[in-house]
Amino acid sequence: DTAVSQTPKYLVTQMGNDKSIKCEQNLGHDTMYWYKQDSKKFLKIMFSYNNKELIINETVPNRFSPKSPDKAHLNLHINSLELGDSAVYFCASSRAQAGDGYTFGSGTRLTVV
Amino acid sequence: QQQVKQSPQSLIVQKGGISIINCAYENTAFDYFPWYQQFPGKGPALLIAIRPDVSEKKEGRFTISFNKSAKQFSLHIMDSQPGDSATYFCAAAVFGSGNTGKLIFGQGTTLQVKP
Repeated sequence: DTAVSQTPKYLVTQMGNDKSIKCEQNLGHDTMYWYKQDSKKFLKIMFSYNNKELIINETVPNRFSPKSPDKAHLNLHINSLELGDSAVYFCASSRAQAGDGYTFGSGTRLTVV
Repeated sequence: QQQVKQSPQSLIVQKGGISIINCAYENTAFDYFPWYQQFPGKGPALLIAIRPDVSEKKEGRFTISFNKSAKQFSLHIMDSQPGDSATYFCAAAVFGSGNTGKLIFGQGTTLQVKP
């Protein structure tokens, strides 16, 4: 069983569209994250949720909106996609806000054309 | 502001050699320092981690050396193998429940081990 699963794995879409990426973890972790990996492989945190509560909201455009229906799921919705949004988006989870032992999903490669 | 600086950006090592990747941090509140390994098309996976109360931690061929006064830590891969070829990230965080759990990553090092 995959510990942290993301769908879709690849997403190609046109500028201006709205898209969502879904993430689910079966590790029983309380905290989930979204990270963005750019073309230079740099990983930067975007959001973090602990038990469905938003605890980290980095400087991310308002077009990005995370949603956590329960502590096992964290989805990312992106409105009005721009070329610069092209990247690999990783979902991760960890024990309650401990920061240790992150488990990452395999990523969603978003390409905006 | 880049809080964790990693070098080198890329590294080529012969099979059986020692790979060394260095990181430096700025925030003295950091007290958890993990290393992640990422293969193409996969997410980063935790390799080894250290807390600042020890100066070295070894797991198999992987060793972290930690220098608190210099605010530096490094990953040593002994007897490097072609299967070790991957991108390695150092990271830092303020550890423990009640903190945000936010990991700050270094820029990554692409390691190639030649047969």
